[in-house]
Amino acid sequence: EAGVTQFPSHSVIEKGQTVTLRCDPISGHDNLYWYRRVMGKEIKFLLHFVKESKQDESGMPNNRFLAERTGGTYSTLKVQPAELEDSGVYFCASSQEGLASSNEQFFGPGTRLTVL
Amino acid sequence: GEDVEQSLFLSVREGDSSVINCTYTDSSSTYLYWYKQEPGAGLQLLTYIFSNMDMKQDQRLTVLLNKKDKHLSLRIADTQTGDSAIYFCAEGESGGYQKVTFGIGTKLQVIP
Repeated sequence: EAGVTQFPSHSVIEKGQTVTLRCDPISGHDNLYWYRRVMGKEIKFLLHFVKESKQDESGMPNNRFLAERTGGTYSTLKVQPAELEDSGVYFCASSQEGLASSNEQFFGPGTRLTVL
Repeated sequence: GEDVEQSLFLSVREGDSSVINCTYTDSSSTYLYWYKQEPGAGLQLLTYIFSNMDMKQDQRLTVLLNKKDKHLSLRIADTQTGDSAIYFCAEGESGGYQKVTFGIGTKLQVIP
């Protein structure tokens, strides 16, 4: 079974440009999460989708960030316009609702975003 | 607010035991997690413990939880070079439906 995949693995853009990150969760997982790790800092929660609905977007930094999950499958995270402080590694994770275990979140390898 | 703290770096010799410590502040945490990140890879859930447990053992891994002091530790017995990675302590509520709060990560270096 394929794990969580993210595209691209690396992105280098200039300040003011737009970048769109994509996440494909594990098939059948209703929960999808975005996290971000800025250099030297903790991994911070950005938002949580349940299917196509935003369940919790309390971690989104500002309105330059837009996350979508049309159809409840893959998700995109768009940054427009990008600023220097947006540089970091963006992780996506998915989990399956209803398991009796830890409801483990499975993480993708991350997208490293560098804003110059 | 939630806060998870852990040391940045740990170096051990191959074959020794490693102990990575973590403190957290959210008393409503239901699950405490340890994630491992190898170079170039995503986060892999190593083990987790419910907040009503004191200890959990899984092969070479032992997790100890002191709920009163909000202190969590991960012990790796017979540490191998393949254990070199960044280890993240994390807490979560409601069994993973909600957001997970991570520590900054402890980089474990295993010296052959």
